[in-house]
Amino acid sequence: AQSVTQLGSHVSVSEGALVLLRCNYSSSVPPYLFWYVQYPNQGLQLLLKYTTGATLVKGINGFEAEFKKSETSFHLTKPSAHMSDAAEYFCAVIHSGNTGKLIFGQGTTLQVKP
Amino acid sequence: DGGITQSPKYLFRKEGQNVTLSCEQNLNHDAMYWYRQDPGQGLRLIYYSQIVNDFQKGDIAEGYSVSREKKESFPLTVTSAQKNPTAFYLCASTPPSGRKSEQFFGPGTRLTVL
Repeated sequence: AQSVTQLGSHVSVSEGALVLLRCNYSSSVPPYLFWYVQYPNQGLQLLLKYTTGATLVKGINGFEAEFKKSETSFHLTKPSAHMSDAAEYFCAVIHSGNTGKLIFGQGTTLQVKP
Repeated sequence: DGGITQSPKYLFRKEGQNVTLSCEQNLNHDAMYWYRQDPGQGLRLIYYSQIVNDFQKGDIAEGYSVSREKKESFPLTVTSAQKNPTAFYLCASTPPSGRKSEQFFGPGTRLTVL
């Protein structure tokens, strides 16, 4: 069965520091992977996605993620955190069946300290 | 502007009452999804619909019902059989390009059962 694991339910960084949010997946088929961001009491917004091709994917707001098949990982990074990056982040993989369903990780709350 | 709307933003109901959450999209998307979000549990799929007049149960369908009479609309009814209905509910849709695509999310409805 497919699954997504986000390591660390809470991550705290200082403003200007590197952001690293970890995501590992399990999939029996080539995965399509996504990172979403959610601000309090709002819906989810797509940050970036990996489908095929280049394994380093750039997204909005300066975020990027690298698909590493050998490590079954899709970690999200940003070189320099900004206060506005404080939010909850979800990693997701598309279900292998032909339904378009997404399987989400538990989420990681990013705190940015001044 | 195209998008997904959910109404109302906040909803309060007494225990034992059925309540219907609205989800409308004008993106011409075929597939629509309902998720429930609880703190620390990520998003869990309640129901999804890939085409008008057809829908399937997700992982936690018990105590919920849906209809898909129009492409644009996918209302969710939380019935009195749902034992713990207080949660944040998110509606999403995917474009006709299908299973390889990301999901687009509405702003959510926070349901509180008193």
